[in-house]
Parts: sequence; C-alpha cells; structure tokens
Amino acid sequence: NAGVTQTPKFQVLKTGQSMTLQCAQDMNHNSMYWYRQDPGMGLRLIYYSASEGTTDKGEVPNGYNVSRLNKREFSLRLESAAPSQTSVYFCASSLGPRPTNEKLFFGSGTQLSVL
Amino acid sequence: GQQVMQIPQYQHVQEGEDFTTYCNSSTTLSNIQWYKQRPGGHPVFLIQLVKSGEVKKQKRLTFQFGEAKKNSSLHITATQTTDVGTYFCAASSNDYKLSFGAGTTVTVRA
Repeated sequence: NAGVTQTPKFQVLKTGQSMTLQCAQDMNHNSMYWYRQDPGMGLRLIYYSASEGTTDKGEVPNGYNVSRLNKREFSLRLESAAPSQTSVYFCASSLGPRPTNEKLFFGSGTQLSVL
Repeated sequence: GQQVMQIPQYQHVQEGEDFTTYCNSSTTLSNIQWYKQRPGGHPVFLIQLVKSGEVKKQKRLTFQFGEAKKNSSLHITATQTTDVGTYFCAASSNDYKLSFGAGTTVTVRA
C-alpha cells in the first residue's frame, strides 16, 4: 500500500498562473482533506470531503477549489495563484464518516512557491 | 472556529532530559489527537485521547487529557535525538473539523 500519494512534490508558479495538486489514497478511506502549513501557524484546513460526492469548506478556502473525482482521488486547484498561497500543502485521508474521531493519514506534501 | 493554543513554540532540550508540551483550548473538546512531524516530513498520528483525565503512554511519551477536557499535555522522558521534530495537537468540539495547534518544535543537544 502506498497510502496517500501527492503530486507534484515541488512547484513554482508565477502570480496569476493556475495549477492542480493531485492526491490519491489506496486505503479505501471515505474522507479526504487538504491542509496548508505555514511557519508558526500549524496546519489549516482548506477543504474537506467527508464522503465521495461531497465537499465542504474548511478554515481557509478562499482562492481554492476542490474536486472529489472518485473515492480515491481529491484534487486541489488554484485558479489564479497569489504569493499569499506560497505554502506547503498536505493531503490527508481518514476512514470516515466522523473525521474528528479518527486518525489522519497524510501525504508527503507539496511545496508551492508563487512568485 | 475552534482554537487550540500550544506552548511552548520551541523547546531546546539536552539529550537525556525530560520536557512537556501543552495544548490548551477555551472550549470543551470532544477529543484530542497528537501528531509528530519530522523535519522535512509529514505529520504522523501518535495518539487520540477521548475521556476526561485519560492518560496514555507510548514508551517514553506520556499523553494526558485534562479533567475538564480543555487541555492536554505530552511529556517526553529521557529525550533522544530521535525525538527531534514538531509535535502538533489537533482537537475538535463536536463538529467535523479538526483544528491543529501551531506546534512545538523540539531540538535536542547531544
């Protein structure tokens, strides 16, 4: 089992460019999440999907969109990147359906720089 | 939203010494989780506490949930170089979203 796989690992964008971060899990988990990690601020939830076919906003959703393509895959899209979106992005999954009672499995992260 | 405060932000420890990191909330929590992130790595789940006053041990790590379920602590005894990293608490208060603390970054002097 690969667990949670994220691509790409590194990305540099210019302001205004768009890109999609890909995430896939092979643990048959129901719930998937996107977090961003900034120095001194811990992990902040961008969007989550409690089950296939549903998505909901987290703490910091502005500037992002998500797609739960199927049970395995949950992508994060930046339509028009801004320097404030420079961060490390983590995808995570949990068995579901009550994510706050379950441990999260994290991917290895994507380091994104927006110039 | 839910806020959890972690202190200290940084902990510099002599190898072999003990230390404690704390996680505090102004609201009652339904549960609390702890994660460890090694430098350059991703967060890895350590433990979940659910019951008031609960204490759990993992080798040299002792986790405690406060009686009022508003705070938690992680105590590490006889610190080793393998303990280097950032420790996060994550808590929820009966909704579907975990809120992470800012983390305690631990460095060890050999």
